[in-house]
Amino acid sequence: GDQVEQSPSALSLHEGTGSALRCNFTTTMRAVQWFRKNSRGSLINLFYLASGTKENGRLKSAFDSKERYSTLHIRDAQLEDSGTYFCAAESGGNYKPTFGKGTSLVVHP
Amino acid sequence: EAAVTQSPRNKVAVTGGKVTLSCNQTNNHNNMYWYRQDTGHGLRLIHYSYGAGSTEKGDIPDGYKASRPSQENFSLILELATPSQTSVYFCASGEDWGSGAETLYFGSGTRLTVL
Repeated sequence: GDQVEQSPSALSLHEGTGSALRCNFTTTMRAVQWFRKNSRGSLINLFYLASGTKENGRLKSAFDSKERYSTLHIRDAQLEDSGTYFCAAESGGNYKPTFGKGTSLVVHP
Repeated sequence: EAAVTQSPRNKVAVTGGKVTLSCNQTNNHNNMYWYRQDTGHGLRLIHYSYGAGSTEKGDIPDGYKASRPSQENFSLILELATPSQTSVYFCASGEDWGSGAETLYFGSGTRLTVL
């Protein structure tokens, strides 16, 4: 089965609200990255975590290697946050990340 | 289950040599992408395609060519490989949901070392 399970696959939010995206891992991961895809296909790196939490503006990410999950929290969602978000996790010394299938976020007025 | 297959999984090339990375998808997706993954840069878009016969430049196209001869296949070509192109390369196909939403299905990556 997939090593990285990302949920939800789709998410709809009203402006000003918030929610969390989650990636569960079937094995112990060394690090996790979160990306957002723009309309052209470019993947914007949001966070890289080997442990703990990081925050940047309205985004916050957490990674728990032992419990095998990572989250991306969005607060006070804005229309421009709409897009597809991906997590990617690295296991062991491979350094080749395995990607989740993405979460398509739509923020409504 | 959607599938994206990259080959080779690992490749060692010499400077000045030609390298072709192949990607095959069985998803019947129109969109396909090539990225490279480097420490400190995340994933960067090299080339992409909207369908057979189409190739578009991404954010870092210099030194790379792409070819989309069919819906299923999208190749990345390094005509004159350089050590700076040592990286891990990912191919992806995209399921377009409309309104700008798209799910990407990634291959397992190709590790290229240019000596």
